[in-house]
Formats: sequence, structure tokens, C-alpha cells
Amino acid sequence: QQQVKQSPQSLIVQKGGISIINCAYENTAFDYFPWYQQFPGKGPALLIAIRPDVSEKKEGRFTISFNKSAKQFSLHIMDSQPGDSATYFCAASMIAGTASKLTFGTGTRLQVTL
Amino acid sequence: DTGVSQNPRHKITKRGQNVTFRCDPISEHNRLYWYRQTLGQGPEFLTYFQNEAQLEKSRLLSDRFSAERPKGSFSTLEIQRTEQGDSAMYLCASRPAYRSGNTIYFGEGSWLTVV
Repeated sequence: QQQVKQSPQSLIVQKGGISIINCAYENTAFDYFPWYQQFPGKGPALLIAIRPDVSEKKEGRFTISFNKSAKQFSLHIMDSQPGDSATYFCAASMIAGTASKLTFGTGTRLQVTL
Repeated sequence: DTGVSQNPRHKITKRGQNVTFRCDPISEHNRLYWYRQTLGQGPEFLTYFQNEAQLEKSRLLSDRFSAERPKGSFSTLEIQRTEQGDSAMYLCASRPAYRSGNTIYFGEGSWLTVV
């Protein structure tokens, strides 16, 4: 059972453009939604995260938009740069849960071209 | 802050052999996780420790897998009688105690190839 669905699977964006990655979740008990960035051969690194009490969070060029009623959230990368080329994973967890373990989406491979 | 450290980074083993991976979490992080990631997929939760207690195990963790965290610091993940389907990257992650932060920090992973 895939609890977090992510799209698109891959994305090609020109330098300076906006990259948009979407995720949808099923479990309404989730209350923490991070995005991780992963470069080849490396472990995932936290990029930005949001709680459901806000609809948007911005950190530099990265913005999370959150729609609680639709059970959807998205990552927007403004002014995309070649260094942003990586795989991006959305995730969800229950903070107060015993393990607070993350459930990940399947990932989006982003390529930013010159 | 030295980050989450995993060893070895790469392991090639023959089918049927046993392998062991080690994880050293960030100092004072009492929560430790193991995840498995296959090519083209997101990490999948395997097991969770709070201090030395293993509190949750995924159904993905068959009887051939065992994880320990004997003193609540480093952890080991052993796979016995490896199968080709075990080939994956095994990720360790840690986080501070509840209410001290929600961020889960991942190591760089241990790649396992079973031939």
C-alpha cells in the first residue's frame, strides 16, 4: 500500500525556470511533511519541511505548498539551477507516533539544463 | 557534528554469505532508524530503536535480518544467508529525542550487491 504518491517521475527544467513536484497522501494522521534531496551515491538530505497548520513555507528558492483538504503538498524550486539536479523525495510521518518513521514517495529525478 | 556514519560504504558478497553493516548516529540522538532503498525507489522503513530498545520492525525485515543497538549508541544490521533480492542501499538515520526536533538525518548509506 503506497501511502504517499509522488509525481512526476522525472522532470527536465531549463536554468532559471520553476520546478514543481507534487505529492498526495492518504493517511490523515500524518502531521509532518518533509522534502529530501538526494544526489547519486549519497543519502537523502532534508531540504524543507512543513506542518499542516500552515499552507505554505518558504526557504530561499524552495517553497512547500500544502493543501490539507486535498491531502496534497508540493515543492516549488524557483530559479532552478544545474546544481539542483538531483532526486527529490517527499515524505510524511506522524510526529507523535512511536517511531515517527518517514513514509517516502517514489522520487522525482530533476534535471536542470543550461 | 560529524553526521551519521555508516560502514562499509560498499559490500559485494556471494549469495548465501552473511554481511553486517554498522551505523554510528549523531551524538546524543537517541532515536535510530534503518531504511532500505532500491534503485528508482524511495527509502523503505525497516526498523527503529529508541536508545537500546528496538521498538518497531517492518514486515520487510525477514527472519534473516537482525538489528541491534547494544549500548544505545552505534547499531548493526546483519543479513544472514544473503539473497540477490537483498541488493540495495541500506540507510541509517538518527534524530534527537521527541520534542527536541523532528528532523531525521540520514547517513550516506551502505551499498550491498549480492552476486
